[in-house]
Amino acid sequence: GAGVSQSPSNKVTEKGKDVELRCDPISGHTALYWYRQRLGQGLEFLIYFQGNSAPDKSGLPSDRFSAERTGESVSTLTIQRTQQEDSAVYLCASSSRTGKRHEQYFGPGTRLTVT
Amino acid sequence: GNSVTQMEGPVTLSEEAFLTINCTYTATGYPSLFWYVQYPGEGLQLLLKATKADDKGSNKGFEATYRKETTSFHLEKGSVQVSDSAVYFCALSDPRGSTLGRLYFGRGTQLTVWP
Repeated sequence: GAGVSQSPSNKVTEKGKDVELRCDPISGHTALYWYRQRLGQGLEFLIYFQGNSAPDKSGLPSDRFSAERTGESVSTLTIQRTQQEDSAVYLCASSSRTGKRHEQYFGPGTRLTVT
Repeated sequence: GNSVTQMEGPVTLSEEAFLTINCTYTATGYPSLFWYVQYPGEGLQLLLKATKADDKGSNKGFEATYRKETTSFHLEKGSVQVSDSAVYFCALSDPRGSTLGRLYFGRGTQLTVWP
């Protein structure tokens, strides 16, 4: 079936504006993760969803960042009052609770540029 | 805590050369170890994994062995091809810990293979 999809693929925004990033996980995958990849750095964990609850939000860098998930489906990551240091590629991944539960399937990412 | 350190790049090789990318880890529990690959313009893909000590993961001619005594998971390939040019990420997850399967990534190693 279809893989993880993310939209938009690219987003350029002015400092201070709010942005919303979307992730559609693989159908049936109950676990969903958001990561951030800043230029020249590894991936930083942001938040984990199991179903529509978020048992681990420890990676969210500030209260400007929030995320929601509808059931076991779409998730949105919202960044309020964007800053230039928010510029990065935001990656979403999903995994199945059973079987290879720790194999995460990644989307293509959203490249966010804050000017 | 959990962390991953991998060899800094970039790595540049001629076709058919031998490849090693070093990866070491620190973990509080009994982690699973992964190598992910990101080809130009594409999303992260799982390359191989190992879930317990002495396991060897392999795929597409790449291999890595989970060495608990040296806390390492080095990636190797006997004869690289131009098509192997990509960024390689070492990662770990601690499925029995409190981190609920989130991945901890190294910074990535850029590999370029010349014909």
